[in-house]
Amino acid sequence: AQSVTQLGSHVSVSEGALVLLRCNYSSSVPPYLFWYVQYPNQGLQLLLKYTTGATLVKGINGFEAEFKKSETSFHLTKPSAHMSDAAEYFCAVGSQGGSEKLVFGKGTKLTVNP
Amino acid sequence: DAGVIQSPRHEVTEMGQEVTLRCKPISGHNSLFWYRQTMMRGLELLIYFNNNVPIDDSGMPEDRFSAKMPNASFSTLKIQPSEPRDSAVYFCASSTGGGAGELFFGEGSRLTVL
Repeated sequence: AQSVTQLGSHVSVSEGALVLLRCNYSSSVPPYLFWYVQYPNQGLQLLLKYTTGATLVKGINGFEAEFKKSETSFHLTKPSAHMSDAAEYFCAVGSQGGSEKLVFGKGTKLTVNP
Repeated sequence: DAGVIQSPRHEVTEMGQEVTLRCKPISGHNSLFWYRQTMMRGLELLIYFNNNVPIDDSGMPEDRFSAKMPNASFSTLKIQPSEPRDSAVYFCASSTGGGAGELFFGEGSRLTVL
């Protein structure tokens, strides 16, 4: 079975500060890893994904994440937070060569303070 | 291009009533997913279809829930009879399939059962 743990249900940063959202996964098979963002009253949108190859993945809006197999982690970072980054962020895991379904973490709500 | 379209956006009903949620996936996508989002449990996959065939319904909570996909452009999620604990936001998502594909989410249907 696969699972995702997002450390911290709420993260608050100042505008211009580093954003770090933590995600650890559990998977018995090589994983696909995703970060999605959800703005209020909207559905989820893909930020970035890791499938195979380069472990540092760049996404939209200046976000990036690094797949670290030894740490079973896929943390999301952005060097400088913007007010528009305030949203809820979900990490998700899927399995290579297996089922299409994704297992989502419980989400981290990011607040950006002026 | 139109995204995933869900209706209704909001539904308020009384316990015991039948609820039908509808979804139109993106044209050309052959996988469709129904997720439920609550504060307590986060995002849970209820069921997913590939080429209109249910592949995994292990997340359907009980017999009161049923889902159909009569054709490639339409799916329904039905709850009969509804209960207050069914109150949640229900998301439909579609993808091109293949496991590493991006899920495209609708804006969700917020269900309140009184």
